[in-house]
Amino acid sequence: DAGVIQSPRHEVTEMGQEVTLRCKPISGHDYLFWYRQTMMRGLELLIYFNNNVPIDDSGMPEDRFSAKMPNASFSTLKIQPSEPRDSAVYFCASSWDRGNQYFGAGTRLSVL
Amino acid sequence: GNSVTQMEGPVTLSEEAFLTINCTYTATGYPSLFWYVQYPGEGLQLLLKATKADDKGSNKGFEATYRKETTSFHLEKGSVQVSDSAVYFCALWSAAGGSNYKLTFGKGTLLTVNP
Repeated sequence: DAGVIQSPRHEVTEMGQEVTLRCKPISGHDYLFWYRQTMMRGLELLIYFNNNVPIDDSGMPEDRFSAKMPNASFSTLKIQPSEPRDSAVYFCASSWDRGNQYFGAGTRLSVL
Repeated sequence: GNSVTQMEGPVTLSEEAFLTINCTYTATGYPSLFWYVQYPGEGLQLLLKATKADDKGSNKGFEATYRKETTSFHLEKGSVQVSDSAVYFCALWSAAGGSNYKLTFGKGTLLTVNP
C-alpha cells in the first residue's frame, strides 16, 4: 500500500483565500484524523471520522474550518477565509485500530 | 482531562550513547500508551506501544514499559545511532471525561545524535 497520501505538500496563499487540503487514507482503514502541528501548540487533533461520519470535531478552531469525507478513500479540510495564524503543517492520519495511526507526510501551509 | 508530559529537548548524544526520554501521563481509566517518531520532513510513525500495565513495547532497539504506579512510559535505547535523530512523541489513547476516545500527544522531544 502507498500509505496515506496528502496533497499538496506545500501551499502558499494570501490571507482571505480559500485553501483545500486533500487526503487519501490507507485502504481498509475506517478511521481518518486531521491534525495541525505548530511550534507553539504542538500537535492538535482537529477532527476525526469513523466510516466517513464525523465523530469529534471539538478541535476545529472556528467556523472558518470545515472537513468532509464523501467516501472511504477521500477527505478534505477546507479553510475559508484563511488567515496568517492558520500557517502550520496539517497532517492526515488513518487507522483501523484508532491508537495505531498511520500519518501522511503532511501539507505545509503558509498564509501570507 | 488527559495529558502527556515529556522531557524538554533538545537532547544531544554521541553515537552509541544510552538514551532515555521521560514521559508521564494523566488519564482516566486505563489508557493505551504509544511512542511515535517523526523524521525530518515526514509524518509521524508508530514506534512502539503498550496496552496494559507492565507491558513492554519494543521496536528497532527502543523499549518502553507501561508503569501504572508511576504513570510513566519512558523511552530507552541502549546504543543510539545517527539515524535515530528525530522528534519523539509520547501519546496516550483514552476517553477524556465522557468525551470520545482520542490520541493525546506530548509536545515532542528532539533528539540529535552526533557521529
